[in-house]
This record gives sequence, structure tokens and C-alpha cells, in this order.
Amino acid sequence: GAVVSQHPSRVICKSGTSVKIECRSLDFQATTMFWYRQFPKQSLMLMATSNEGSKATYEQGVEKDKFLINHASLTLSTLTVTSAHPEDSSFYICSARDPGPSTDTQYFGPGTRLTVL
Amino acid sequence: QKEVEQDPGPLSVPEGAIVSLNCTYSNSAFQYFMWYRQYSRKGPELLMYTYSSGNKEDGRFTAQVDKSSKYISLFIRDSQPSDSATYLCAMTYVGAGGYNKLIFGAGTRLAVHP
Repeated sequence: GAVVSQHPSRVICKSGTSVKIECRSLDFQATTMFWYRQFPKQSLMLMATSNEGSKATYEQGVEKDKFLINHASLTLSTLTVTSAHPEDSSFYICSARDPGPSTDTQYFGPGTRLTVL
Repeated sequence: QKEVEQDPGPLSVPEGAIVSLNCTYSNSAFQYFMWYRQYSRKGPELLMYTYSSGNKEDGRFTAQVDKSSKYISLFIRDSQPSDSATYLCAMTYVGAGGYNKLIFGAGTRLAVHP
């Protein structure tokens, strides 16, 4: 099956710093990747849709200047949390869309746990 | 009212039991229906996807969709302790740009005890 990796798996940072999370599709080209956030015991909430070579599309209520997304190649999207604060602490998960012949499914990375002190 | 409703549980069953997990939805525009399994501190893993009403079977798992009732189910036969996880239903809709986006249910936490 399709494999998506994320790096780092866990990061702890001080308030005010910026953190970059990488999402890679390892065995297929993904023109579209998605970034989700998941708080403890809650479901995944879509933050933004990342398209290769164009600007990301953000969901309502997500600050685009705070969560910078870059999708420079067909296998890599990055999410940068700028000037992180404790309320940004969460589990960030990316997915890559694999537009197969009969399905249009998303394959998820293992997630990145961000803790802002 | 949420677009996708899913009982968060927790659901605790003995090993070997048949597990029934359910979601209801309100938007008739949803196209694909999926079930994901998520272990603690891990990303979701796609278990099954369906498009039309009816049943789809894969090993011990059966996905059922009833579009007329806007109701989907996942059945797990002969449940094992390794099935203990959170199960998320998800549905796709066409977002801006013409591609499918996923909307998730809250997830049901399942514990299978020996």
C-alpha cells in the first residue's frame, strides 16, 4: 500500500519559536496533500489542502500566516508552525491523495506530536 | 448538528465477539465512505472504503452502507485484542478545486479484552 512518512515524529519547543514538519509520499506522486490537527480524544480536523506548485487552501478559522504550507515537489509538503504557542500543542497529521483508477483515497502519515512549552 | 455523527464509546468487548461500529451522516452529497483504524499516537490507517449502498467484505471486516438511511457500519468478526484501537468513519465530499476532502466522525474507541 501507499506509504506516507512524517518528520519529526515528536518535537518540543519553546514558545515563540517556529517548527517545520515534513510530509513525504514515498512510493507515489501526490499532487495534493492535506494537513490535519488532532487534539486528545478528538477526531481529525482538516487545516489546509496543499497543492504542488500552488498556494495552499486553508479551512475556515485556520490562520494561513501562522501555519505556512509549502508543496514544492510531488512527494514533499511542509507545514511550518510560526511563533508557536502552548495552544498550538497538538498532533499534526498529513495525508497524501492517491488518485487511483477507481478510488480517491488519502493515505496518512504517522503524525507529529508538537509540544510547545 | 454535526455532518457526521459517531458514538465515541468506549466500547469494550471480549475476544471473539462481533463488533458493530456505526456512523450516521446528514449530507447526501457524500460520495465515498471509509473506515480508518487509529492506534494510540499513530496516524489513521485505511481499513475499507465503499462507494455504493450494500456490503463489502475483507477478511474479518465488513463495511455496510445504506445511503437511503444515511447510515454506515463496520462489523468486525472474531475480534482480537490487536483490534483495540479507535475506529474513525470518514466520508468524502468535493471541495474547492474539484477534489475530494475527508470529513471524519469523532471516532469510537474499541477495547477487546482477552
